[in-house]
Amino acid sequence: AQKVTQAQTEISVVEKEDVTLDCVYETRDTTYYLFWYKQPPSGELVFLIRRNSFDEQNEISGRYSWNFQKSTSSFNFTITASQVVDSAVYFCALHDNTDKLIFGTGTRLQVFP
Amino acid sequence: NAGVTQTPKFRILKIGQSMTLQCTQDMNHNYMYWYRQDPGMGLKLIYYSVGAGITDKGEVPNGYNVSRSTTEDFPLRLELAAPSQTSVYFCASSLPSGGGSGTQYFGPGTRLTVL
Repeated sequence: AQKVTQAQTEISVVEKEDVTLDCVYETRDTTYYLFWYKQPPSGELVFLIRRNSFDEQNEISGRYSWNFQKSTSSFNFTITASQVVDSAVYFCALHDNTDKLIFGTGTRLQVFP
Repeated sequence: NAGVTQTPKFRILKIGQSMTLQCTQDMNHNYMYWYRQDPGMGLKLIYYSVGAGITDKGEVPNGYNVSRSTTEDFPLRLELAAPSQTSVYFCASSLPSGGGSGTQYFGPGTRLTVL
């Protein structure tokens, strides 16, 4: 069965700290896609990154970086030097072979000034 | 290019009433989806469509109906609203992962309360 687990329900940090959000997935498919979305307090869902199962290269975009490890079925997300504007709920999601997204339950990140 | 638009943004229904949530996308995406998000939870798939005239059930379809007569529009119908349908509803669209990115882009959501 396809499943996404975000074990961290809520994380609180002080501005400028680094923080890593964990994501563990389960799938029997050999081809799949992993995503991270951000949901700020305003409620919309913002696409952050997509990674396919054949590309294990880590990705860095500004203060954001992603570590994809097939050996541990993990796709972790790190924010470096966190800012108050990073406060949001972050969802990890798995795209299965029927083009449906399976979401984790989300991690609420609070960054305090 | 507006992306995915949803109307209304907010709505309060009485138990037993019906309503239609509208969703339109202008990205020429084949695939469209409806999700609900309950407080403090992730998103659950209600219905999805891979093209005009084709719809299929997701994880939580009971109490809802959909239709897809055009590529752009994918309305969600609630019949006989119940308090358990109080939620935030998101519409999304994408290209298929085979020929496109498969990335789903979301509308701003509709917050529905059933009293």
